Amino acid sequence: GQQLNQSPQSMFIQEGEDVSMNCTSSSIFNTWLWYKQDPGEGPVLLIALYKAGELTSNGRLTAQFGITRKDSFLNISASIPSDVGIYFCAGQGRGAQKLVFGQGTRLTINP
Amino acid sequence: DTAVSQTPKYLVTQMGNDKSIKCEQNLGHDTMYWYKQDSKKFLKIMFSYNNKELIINETVPNRFSPKSPDKAHLNLHINSLELGDSAVYFCASSSGSETQYFGPGTRLLVL
Repeated sequence: GQQLNQSPQSMFIQEGEDVSMNCTSSSIFNTWLWYKQDPGEGPVLLIALYKAGELTSNGRLTAQFGITRKDSFLNISASIPSDVGIYFCAGQGRGAQKLVFGQGTRLTINP
Repeated sequence: DTAVSQTPKYLVTQMGNDKSIKCEQNLGHDTMYWYKQDSKKFLKIMFSYNNKELIINETVPNRFSPKSPDKAHLNLHINSLELGDSAVYFCASSSGSETQYFGPGTRLLVL
């Protein structure tokens, strides 16, 4: 089945640093999504990307939909303690309702 | 005014028991989902219902039986629970293939 390879699996950074994570797929997706999961909670949507090459920002977060439609990245600038959590990429095919998730990137921030 | 709610939040039970998890959404969405998150935080879709009709069944054991009494509710019944069923189960909802919104999760522990 479809699989997403998300990297890195974990990151340990200092507060104020920028963060970058990415997802690659063996197949094409028509929508790329980035979710964040806080401990004990469900995933919350951060950014949705609908078009190849699209670059979208949400505050300090920026995500891009790769031109090949097989990859996406998420950047977080000037990290703060509340950015701690697990970040998931997810891909969705055309008209499909199923989301395929990456393995997650666990972000830890040292104050 | 929670958008997607699940009950219970925690469920601890013995192997072999039968249990149910309930999900309700007040977003007016027509599609609901069940996802399973394992101990490594990997999220995988189990089922999807659109207007009370099953549209996705990802080769889940038939001990798992979803039921959708109406568009706003999707319950998950699990028969003869096994140790490997221990996980966090997330309900989600969407309008068609649009953005999916997740519930807070039900943490199931089978002893």
